[in-house]
Amino acid sequence: EPEVTQTPSHQVTQMGQEVILRCVPISNHLYFYWYRQILGQKVEFLVSFYNNEISEKSEIFDDQFSVERPDGSNFTLKIRSTKLEDSAMYFCASSGRINQPQHFGDGTRLSIL
Amino acid sequence: DQQVKQNSPSLSVQEGRISILNCDYTNSMFDYFLWYKKYPAEGPTFLISISSIKDKNEDGRFTVFLNKSAKHLSLHIVPSQPGDSAVYFCAASGRDFGNEKLTFGTGTRLTIIP
Repeated sequence: EPEVTQTPSHQVTQMGQEVILRCVPISNHLYFYWYRQILGQKVEFLVSFYNNEISEKSEIFDDQFSVERPDGSNFTLKIRSTKLEDSAMYFCASSGRINQPQHFGDGTRLSIL
Repeated sequence: DQQVKQNSPSLSVQEGRISILNCDYTNSMFDYFLWYKKYPAEGPTFLISISSIKDKNEDGRFTVFLNKSAKHLSLHIVPSQPGDSAVYFCAASGRDFGNEKLTFGTGTRLTIIP
């Protein structure tokens, strides 16, 4: 069964450094998402991406965050200058179309020191 | 922001019995609801969904019920099996918002007792 894959599974970064989280969505999907879950809290929406542009972003997704689909398979989340509060599990998801289920990867645990 | 609420943080059920997980929402613009299951160190796995035009959807051992007037949905698992032990998340989205982001509840940890 097709699945969403995320790399790395764990990323440790010094505060202030840039980090790029990578995702390979399911191949025929058109809608891509990033969510995050801070330890002990809800899964929160960050951004949705369709047709090579952001379709919606949350207030968490400030100027330090960016997303890119550099080729036909990868979808990346970049945090330009990491803060301690960026420590969380980051999940990538994809869906075939609106109101089809979103399928999630296993996440990247981001630890900011 | 408590638009989707799961008021029971945990639930224990005997193997073979029915597990009932509950979820309430406050935003009447939500029109698509999903249940996800999550094991430690894995991402949420889609289980079952329901559109607001229905009040029930069934898939094998899993049934989701939607009560729009009460803004309440529930997931029934019958019979419960040890492999069902996981955290279950309710999520909702609103097509009328012009977006498709999911709003999640806080999750219910289900433990199936052999």
